[in-house]
Amino acid sequence: DTAVSQTPKYLVTQMGNDKSIKCEQNLGHDTMYWYKQDSKKFLKIMFSYNNKELIINETVPNRFSPKSPDKAHLNLHINSLELGDSAVYFCASSKGLAGGEQYFGPGTRLTVT
Amino acid sequence: GQNIDQPTEMTATEGAIVQINCTYQTSGFNGLFWYQQHAGEAPTFLSYNVLDGLEEKGRFSSFLSRSKGYSYLLLKELQMKDSASYLCAVRDRKSDYKLSFGAGTTVTVRA
Repeated sequence: DTAVSQTPKYLVTQMGNDKSIKCEQNLGHDTMYWYKQDSKKFLKIMFSYNNKELIINETVPNRFSPKSPDKAHLNLHINSLELGDSAVYFCASSKGLAGGEQYFGPGTRLTVT
Repeated sequence: GQNIDQPTEMTATEGAIVQINCTYQTSGFNGLFWYQQHAGEAPTFLSYNVLDGLEEKGRFSSFLSRSKGYSYLLLKELQMKDSASYLCAVRDRKSDYKLSFGAGTTVTVRA
């Protein structure tokens, strides 16, 4: 059974389009995250949710909007995609905000042309 | 915020030992994590330190000194499959328990 899953795995799209990435975890965790890993492999937090409540919202453009319909799901919608949005996006989950390690999904490689 | 420094690259021979150092600065330290990331894959959890001292897990050990803002990950009996990036990450309770990552250390194991 996959613990943290993301779809799609690859996403190629043109500038200006709107796209969504979905994430689901079956670990029963309360906290979920979105990270961005750029071409230099630097992994940076974007958002965190705890029990469907937004906790961390880093300096991310308004074009990025996370949504957590329930504790097991955290989706990421991106409007008006730009070239600089090209990166690998990882979803992760943990038992709680201060609860143990984070488990990462397989990542979504987004390429904006 | 946190400043997390670790070497960019290290190379070692199969069967040898490699030590990856990590220094950090944070005002609300709430734990230090090490993750392994193979190329094209997700990070996977290796170890967690919140108190000073050494945590051993098979071939991997991690050490923490909170007063020095210092940690290391020790990889023993290196195998080819250990070639990967190793990420040091610090959790900060004063930043909503945000986990901040270092840039990663790429370890190459040679035969």
